[in-house]
Amino acid sequence: DTGVSQDPRHKITKRGQNVTFRCDPISEHNRLYWYRQTLGQGPEFLTYFQNEAQLEKSRLLSDRFSAERPKGSFSTLEIQRTEQGDSAMYLCASSLGWTTNEKLFFGSGTQLSVL
Amino acid sequence: RKEVEQDPGPFNVPEGATVAFNCTYSNSASQSFFWYRQDCRKEPKLLMSVYSSGNEDGRFTAQLNRASQYISLLIRDSKLSDSATYLCVAYYGQNFVFGPGTRLSVLP
Repeated sequence: DTGVSQDPRHKITKRGQNVTFRCDPISEHNRLYWYRQTLGQGPEFLTYFQNEAQLEKSRLLSDRFSAERPKGSFSTLEIQRTEQGDSAMYLCASSLGWTTNEKLFFGSGTQLSVL
Repeated sequence: RKEVEQDPGPFNVPEGATVAFNCTYSNSASQSFFWYRQDCRKEPKLLMSVYSSGNEDGRFTAQLNRASQYISLLIRDSKLSDSATYLCVAYYGQNFVFGPGTRLSVLP
């Protein structure tokens, strides 16, 4: 499977715990994005990487959220001290990152439930 | 004001109907535009890009009006399988900005 893959598919955690999600982008894609989506809303931008560099982070993103992309390949998104409001689908997506015709391809997402 | 706005929906239409979705964007620097389709509890999938000249892919037609900052999607002869949420997307500054989506239910 050469698409974007995310792990885990589902995560249930208790409030106050830390969680980490992983994303493996399409292999030749330089850009990697993280989005969050709640029911009835469109995906909300969180952050993105160009290779290993984190180039933009949403102003709405709490400092409890951190993302990394070491070596410009896979990425992790960590949420510290989770809150019930963090419950959402976390979507990873990637794009080529060097064309004038960029298109975004998504993984299946990680559904987070904070109890 | 949200950067990308869409018809609130939901749209409930009978099979075979023609349905149109509207979208507006606020950033005139937006470079590219797309329609994505999202099934319940699934990830968004690219349906089609939107070009200034308008483009068609089978039963789907997309139009872009840069002067009005308006995008549309027309679905002709709708099928049960078209039931989904349709997301309008604007790309600028290396970021893809999504609208809230419009839900479509095609009824038998």
